[in-house]
Amino acid sequence: GDSVTQMEGPVTLSEEAFLTINCTYTATGYPSLFWYVQYPGEGLQLLLKATKADDKGSNKGFEATYRKETTSFHLEKGSVQVSDSAVYFCALPLGANSKLTFGKGITLSVRP
Amino acid sequence: DAMVIQNPRYQVTQFGKPVTLSCSQTLNHNVMYWYQQKSSQAPKLLFHYYDKDFNNEADTPDNFQSRRPNTSFCFLDIRSPGLGDAAMYLCATSRAFLEPQHFGDGTRLSIL
Repeated sequence: GDSVTQMEGPVTLSEEAFLTINCTYTATGYPSLFWYVQYPGEGLQLLLKATKADDKGSNKGFEATYRKETTSFHLEKGSVQVSDSAVYFCALPLGANSKLTFGKGITLSVRP
Repeated sequence: DAMVIQNPRYQVTQFGKPVTLSCSQTLNHNVMYWYQQKSSQAPKLLFHYYDKDFNNEADTPDNFQSRRPNTSFCFLDIRSPGLGDAAMYLCATSRAFLEPQHFGDGTRLSIL
C-alpha cells in the first residue's frame, strides 16, 4: 500500500557538516512531496516542497529533489548550523482521501 | 502576520474531566485539521473540516469531538480524558486538501 519511509535516527552532526536525510515513498501517481520541520516546543513548519518530477525544493539552505525513478525526496544541506537542530518529517498526500501522511520523523542535533 | 493560533499552550486537566482546546486562524483557509502528537512520534490526524463538512478518521476515539462554529475557529473537545490522551495537540489549516498545511504551535495536554 501507499507509504512514506524515513531513515532511522537520531542524527548528531558537528556544525558545518553535510546533512542528508533519506525519504522514500510508495504511491500511485505523482503526488506533491513536502518536508516539514519541528523546532523544540513548536508546531510543524513547511520547510520545502516539490510538486512534480525533477522539481527541486529549497529553503534556508536545505534542498530536496523529487526523484520519480527512485521514488525518493532526500533532504540535504551543505553546512548545518546549531539552529538547525529539530525534528524533520517527510510527508505526502496518500490514499483515497489524499491525507497528508508523515514519515516517522528524524531528530537532528547539531553540536557547536 | 496571518497565522494559526492555539490556546492555551499548556493545559492540565483531571482524569475524566472534560477539556476543550481552541484554534483560530487568520489565513481564511477552507480546511482545518486536528492532530495528536505523542512524544517522538509523527502527528496523527484525528479529524478535519472542509468548510462546515466534518470528516472523522476511522480510528479516532469517540471521546474526541470537534466543532467549527465559523471559518476562523475550531475546537477540540475531549469528553472524558484518560491518561493515554496526554499529548501535544496540533491544529493546522490549508487552503485545499493538497495544499501545504500551516500549523499552530500546539497545546500540550497533561492529565492528572
